[in-house]
Amino acid sequence: GEDVEQSLFLSVREGDSSVINCTYTDSSSTYLYWYKQEPGAGLQLLTYIFSNMDMKQDQRLTVLLNKKDKHLSLRIADTQTGDSAIYFCAERFEGGGNKLTFGTGTQLKVEL
Amino acid sequence: NAGVTQTPKFRVLKTGQSMTLLCAQDMNHEYMYWYRQDPGMGLRLIHYSVGEGTTAKGEVPDGYNVSRLKKQNFLLGLESAAPSQTSVYFCASQPTANTGELFFGEGSRLTVL
Repeated sequence: GEDVEQSLFLSVREGDSSVINCTYTDSSSTYLYWYKQEPGAGLQLLTYIFSNMDMKQDQRLTVLLNKKDKHLSLRIADTQTGDSAIYFCAERFEGGGNKLTFGTGTQLKVEL
Repeated sequence: NAGVTQTPKFRVLKTGQSMTLLCAQDMNHEYMYWYRQDPGMGLRLIHYSVGEGTTAKGEVPDGYNVSRLKKQNFLLGLESAAPSQTSVYFCASQPTANTGELFFGEGSRLTVL
């Protein structure tokens, strides 16, 4: 079955770059996603990447996909205190319908 | 802009009690999902629906039932609550054919004593 792994915590200083990593096991992934969850709220889609791409940039966010190693990363440039949240990666795989499998989530703490 | 609305937002139950969580979406989405979120375990899919009148089991369906009598509503029921069902429950909806974006409700925190 599919499995998505993330480290649980990351702490960075304001203004530095943050890199959140994710590994997945299903090689038939079609789309991979990054969601953000702020305290007391539901998840919101940050960005996604199609599996035939290896990079996507969206303002301060850069997504890198290494299909060979089944590794996905999210880089946040110039991290701000408002970026403090839990970040989930998720995959949608061929044969899974529209269902998404989520990782365990990485709690990002931004310190002054 | 209501989006996805969950009720209630908080509930405390005693072991063995029953309750229903309601999810309503006003975006005419076909797909709806119920997830539970537990520390260190991410989101796990309980049940889902691909359209009105349909339901299917997810990763952790035991102890839960669902119904989708109307397209806009997806109900999650606990017939006999157990402490292991203490969790935060999230409902999400999704259009039929898109890049897979899920739209989430704000969550319902359930405590079973």
